[in-house]
Amino acid sequence: AQSVTQLGSHVSVSEGALVLLRCNYSSSVPPYLFWYVQYPNQGLQLLLKYTTGATLVKGINGFEAEFKKSETSFHLTKPSAHMSDAAEYFCAVSSGNAGNMLTFGGGTRLMVKP
Amino acid sequence: GAVVSQHPSWVICKSGTSVKIECRSLDFQATTMFWYRQFPKQSLMLMATSNEGSKATYEQGVEKDKFLINHASLTLSTLTVTSAHPEDSSFYICSANRATGGAFFGQGTRLTVV
Repeated sequence: AQSVTQLGSHVSVSEGALVLLRCNYSSSVPPYLFWYVQYPNQGLQLLLKYTTGATLVKGINGFEAEFKKSETSFHLTKPSAHMSDAAEYFCAVSSGNAGNMLTFGGGTRLMVKP
Repeated sequence: GAVVSQHPSWVICKSGTSVKIECRSLDFQATTMFWYRQFPKQSLMLMATSNEGSKATYEQGVEKDKFLINHASLTLSTLTVTSAHPEDSSFYICSANRATGGAFFGQGTRLTVV
């Protein structure tokens, strides 16, 4: 079984401030980890993913995440928030096999204040 | 990159009618496709897992006679909402797993039943 917990359903930051969205997972096998973003009225868009190799993963729009096995975490960060980053962010885990589904976290709504 | 096309992106239908949503993997073979539903301000909820050539596996609480899923080929899965009612109004998203790894999402379909 696998599960994902995103701490904080809502996060508010000022423009230019650090963005930190937390994600912890549980998985019985080495996980594949994903961050997706959803803008209003749009489908999910992949931000970045970790499969194997380097634990610090860089994604689109200046986001990055670090896989920490000892902490079972995959937190998403961005050094400086932009207004356009306001969206809902979903962390997800899969066991890595092609046939296995993604398990999503509850989502975190990021709000960026001017 | 792998592309999943979901059609239509939005649809309005009358109560009691049926609506079909298509999910196509455009440049890869999808061994498994998943259908999700997202209620406003909530996370995605897995509805069913669809494998090519076999019956879909529905999650607990999802009515299989209401949400008909057909996975006719390795590149196409359809979700038909039969006898739609206003409570079926939601955002439906499909995802497709590539045989070589990775999960890719469609753009989503916003269904409004009036």
